Amino acid sequence: GAGVSQSPSNKVTEKGKDVELRCDPISGHTALYWYRQSLGQGLEFLIYFQGNSAPDKSGLPSDRFSAERTGGSVSTLTIQRTQQEDSAVYLCASSPRLGVYEQYFGPGTRLTVT
Amino acid sequence: DAKTTQPNSMESNEEEPVHLPCNHSTISGTDYIHWYRQLPSQGPEYVIHGLTSNVNNRMASLAIAEDRKSSTLILHRATLRDAAVYYCILRDIAGANNLFFGTGTRLTVIP
Repeated sequence: GAGVSQSPSNKVTEKGKDVELRCDPISGHTALYWYRQSLGQGLEFLIYFQGNSAPDKSGLPSDRFSAERTGGSVSTLTIQRTQQEDSAVYLCASSPRLGVYEQYFGPGTRLTVT
Repeated sequence: DAKTTQPNSMESNEEEPVHLPCNHSTISGTDYIHWYRQLPSQGPEYVIHGLTSNVNNRMASLAIAEDRKSSTLILHRATLRDAAVYYCILRDIAGANNLFFGTGTRLTVIP
């Protein structure tokens, strides 16, 4: 079946502009996660959603970052007033629900802020 | 989540078994041991997980020490496609739901 998809695959933006990154989770998965991976680094947790519950935003690095999930499915990660340090690969994952279930990752969006 | 320690890198010859170790001496009774891998330019991929007993699936085997302070991911026959960074992660069933990725072990498979 279809896996997690993300768009765009690559995004180049100028410093100070806003960007939106999209994630389509696996159908039926109620939990959705966002991570980012800077060049040569490990993954850093950003935020997760479970169904219609309030998201856990504890990993968001600043108030320039926000995310929403519409209808319990598609999610959008928004970065306002982008900075060069925001350059990274942004990865989305989904799982059947919260807990110790395995997470299925998308291919990521490579964001470059110039 | 409790911390894990893995070697930075390992090498294996193609078609030979690979044993990737992970130490987790502060593991709690409710921590599951998960393994993920990340192939070059791809998102992480789930490999296997277990709690106390050894586990087998189509990708690998997971051997868990009796005291659970260490575990070993076993690839029975390494292929070039297995070249990746392998992450050992502890997940508390009652704790945070996100994954804490450390630096992992970079596996190089030699043809």
